[in-house]
Amino acid sequence: DGGITQSPKYLFRKEGQNVTLSCEQNLNHDAMYWYRQDPGQGLRLIYYSQIVNDFQKGDIAEGYSVSREKKESFPLTVTSAQKNPTAFYLCASSTLHRLSSYNSPLHFGNGTRLTVT
Amino acid sequence: AQTVTQSQPEMSVQEAETVTLSCTYDTSESNYYLFWYKQPPSRQMILVIRQEAYKQQNATENRFSVNFQKAAKSFSLKISDSQLGDTAMYFCAFRAAQKLVFGQGTRLTINP
Repeated sequence: DGGITQSPKYLFRKEGQNVTLSCEQNLNHDAMYWYRQDPGQGLRLIYYSQIVNDFQKGDIAEGYSVSREKKESFPLTVTSAQKNPTAFYLCASSTLHRLSSYNSPLHFGNGTRLTVT
Repeated sequence: AQTVTQSQPEMSVQEAETVTLSCTYDTSESNYYLFWYKQPPSRQMILVIRQEAYKQQNATENRFSVNFQKAAKSFSLKISDSQLGDTAMYFCAFRAAQKLVFGQGTRLTINP
């Protein structure tokens, strides 16, 4: 079955360490996204990518970095510069149709809960 | 910049009742898309329904329907004959470009 796989489900790190969250999709989607979810704030966009080797900052990109070396993979690194990294992180993907890409819904992974102490 | 506002942080209804969740948005775009997502306790995001702004007819998916008022920039979700499995966080979302912008969410509890 096609889908988006995020790993691990739970991740614990010490403050000051960088950590990388994995996101893999086999839906053949061009676009991939990273969102952060905090209680009472909904989902906020960190980074997104429409094609391989290209990505754009979202609304809260500071302290994060991404890469898109393969169409299927879009890992997110939470760096030590991110002041409040403890959160739930969701990866998503969607198709990119030339005429109606914005109609395409996002398909989400199951998320990674990151706790930094 | 587009913003999405859900004014009801929490709602609670009895099983089999009808419930309406509110959503308003702000944009200067003329063509865009609106979505409702459901996030149950498993935290999996599930698409419930979507609406294209240029379509006047309100979208319907089984027990779920929307009331789309373009002039008022309102996009409410109605759940009919609510079931215990409808208990979840519900997010309204707006898309006019590659980014999908979410509201803060409404926590809906269906009581037996």
